[in-house]
Amino acid sequence: GAVVSQHPSWVICKSGTSVKIECRSLDFQATTMFWYRQFPKKSLMLMATSNEGSKATYEQGVEKDKFLINHASLTLSTLTVTSAHPEDSSFYICSARIVAGNTEAFFGQGTRLTVV
Amino acid sequence: GESVGLHLPTLSVQEGDNSIINCAYSNSASDYFIWYKQESGKGPQFIIDIRSNMDKRQGQRVTVLLNKTVKHLSLQIAATQPGDSAVYFCAENMGGSTLGRLYFGRGTQLTVWP
Repeated sequence: GAVVSQHPSWVICKSGTSVKIECRSLDFQATTMFWYRQFPKKSLMLMATSNEGSKATYEQGVEKDKFLINHASLTLSTLTVTSAHPEDSSFYICSARIVAGNTEAFFGQGTRLTVV
Repeated sequence: GESVGLHLPTLSVQEGDNSIINCAYSNSASDYFIWYKQESGKGPQFIIDIRSNMDKRQGQRVTVLLNKTVKHLSLQIAATQPGDSAVYFCAENMGGSTLGRLYFGRGTQLTVWP
């Protein structure tokens, strides 16, 4: 199957700093990528839809100025958590859908963010 | 609001037995559902999907059943193995034409005992 890679796998940062998480589709092109957030022992919650070459679409309640998304190429989307606080600590997961109608979304391995 | 949910948060089975994980959904307009397996510290792994024009779909050792009348979805795992131990999520495509925009249920922790 198609491979989606996230980097880093885990990161620890200080409160007030910003952290960038990368999501790459390694062997396919993805015009659309998705960002999810997952708290321990909870389900995945969709944060935003990342569209190549245009602005991201955020789900209700997700602060777009807090979670900056950039989808500059067909194989890379980035999520930047700005001015991170301990409550932003979470597992962030991206997914990507192959161009041209494939219905399956492939998930990355996730990024564990801890803000101290 | 409309949601996808799971009846049982945990399920323990013995190796070799069959497992059934259930999911209820409330959005009658949903037309695409997916089951994912998530191991600790990893991203979700696709298991099987089904469209609303189908009642049943089979894969290798897995079967998904869809009952649109009662808005119920189930995942059956045959001859469950220790490697099947994980959290299983059903997901509903929210986006209409935007495939991949998914709403996840709360998950069921499956534990397989040797």
